[in-house]
Amino acid sequence: SAVISQKPSRDICQRGTSLTIQCQVDSQVTMMFWYRQQPGQSLTLIATANQGSEATYESGFVIDKFPISRPNLTFSTLTVSNMSPEDSSIYLCSVAPSGGTEAFFGQGTRLTVV
Amino acid sequence: RKEVEQDPGPFNVPEGATVAFNCTYSNSASQSFFWYRQDCRKEPKLLMSVYSSGNEDGRFTAQLNRASQYISLLIRDSKLSDSATYLCVVNGGSNSGYALNFGKGTSLLVTP
Repeated sequence: SAVISQKPSRDICQRGTSLTIQCQVDSQVTMMFWYRQQPGQSLTLIATANQGSEATYESGFVIDKFPISRPNLTFSTLTVSNMSPEDSSIYLCSVAPSGGTEAFFGQGTRLTVV
Repeated sequence: RKEVEQDPGPFNVPEGATVAFNCTYSNSASQSFFWYRQDCRKEPKLLMSVYSSGNEDGRFTAQLNRASQYISLLIRDSKLSDSATYLCVVNGGSNSGYALNFGKGTSLLVTP
C-alpha cells in the first residue's frame, strides 16, 4: 500500500496567479499520476510523472499550463499556472506501487479561482 | 467515444434492495479492472478488483466479460452506508504507463 500526503487541501486563488500542489508518498514509486476532477465529472488524467524524465501529458494538457516536478521517487508537484475560473476543480495525485494493481490517491486539492 | 462508460444513474434504492451497475470499456488491450468508491468530497478508494472468473466480497460481486468488454458490480442487501459514487476503472497496462481510465461514475443513494 501507499500513503500520500497532498497539500494544500483547498485554496481560493485570484485569476492570473499560480498554485503549486505537493504530494509526498511514504514509499518510493516509479510513476506518479496527476488527475483533475471537475464538478460533477469523473477523474481525467493530466499527466504521468516519472522521476528523472519529463512528464508525459495527456491530450488537452500542456506543460506551460501544468508544469510538473518529480525530483525524487517520493515527491512530486503540479503547478496550475495563470489560473482562470475554468481551472476550478479538484486536483488529485495518485500512485500505483505495483504497476497494474491498486492505485492510491492523495486527499485532493479543492481549487477555486475567482 | 469515452474509454470507459457507465450507467448514468443516479440510483435511488431502499435499504435491503439489490442494485447492479454496468460498465463498458473501449480498449481491448486493457489489463486490469476495478470498481472504486468515492464519497462526497473525498478521494476515490478501491472497492474491489474485477477478475474474469468473477469475484465476490461479502455483499459485493464483480464480473468481467472480456469478449464483450463489459464489467458489472452487484450490491446485495443495500445499506445506507453504501450511498456513494461508484467508479468503473480500467488500467491500460504498461503501454499506457499504468494510468487509470475512469468512468464518469454512478451515484447510489440508499434510503431508509
